[in-house]
Amino acid sequence: DSGVTQTPKHLITATGQRVTLRCSPRSGDLSVYWYQQSLDQGLQFLIQYYNGEERAKGNILERFSAQQFPDLHSELNLSSLELGDSALYFCASSVVPDGEQGCTFGSGTRLTVV
Amino acid sequence: GNSVTQMEGPVTLSEEAFLTINCTYTATGYPSLFWYVQYPGEGLQLLLKATKADDKGSNKGFEATYRKETTSFHLEKGSVQVSDSAVYFCALSDRDGSRLTFGEGTQLTVNP
Repeated sequence: DSGVTQTPKHLITATGQRVTLRCSPRSGDLSVYWYQQSLDQGLQFLIQYYNGEERAKGNILERFSAQQFPDLHSELNLSSLELGDSALYFCASSVVPDGEQGCTFGSGTRLTVV
Repeated sequence: GNSVTQMEGPVTLSEEAFLTINCTYTATGYPSLFWYVQYPGEGLQLLLKATKADDKGSNKGFEATYRKETTSFHLEKGSVQVSDSAVYFCALSDRDGSRLTFGEGTQLTVNP
């Protein structure tokens, strides 16, 4: 157990729908990252939050949004879902944004859009 | 922008064989370099890291040396075990810690 908790583990939904993925960072970690892992694009950075504020944005679609709450948990919202959004979504956390330490990953949420 | 290139897989070895997975990178400045491992059905686990040129990261018998002159961070292990079967990702981090850039991943299968 890495200490980063993601729910749900699996999600199956239809095209056009909206889903919310949840992440609780490791105790004491202030920074949360979201990554998407798909067969065709590999592991892609989506977005980073630090202490409730958006800090960096990667290849995140406009249909996707995220936020980090005062208790430091984070949610990734995916809307108007398409078949191509099927992927494994990882949350990771770190104490602070520190390029030398890396980050700790959760076990992921597998999203299947049908 | 930053990028990481890993050797193509999959790689299949017999137990106790020597392992090398090549990784090269392109980056501005001096990034930190990492190897992550993903076992089936699990998330990524940090295997080892190096933060400056000529640093050697090591863990569980795996090693990798940060080579600035060749922009490489090759993963090696002298004697692999069946339990090492997993997908291995090379990654680099922006200095400000904003994100990790990953390679494509290399699937390793070790047969008894």
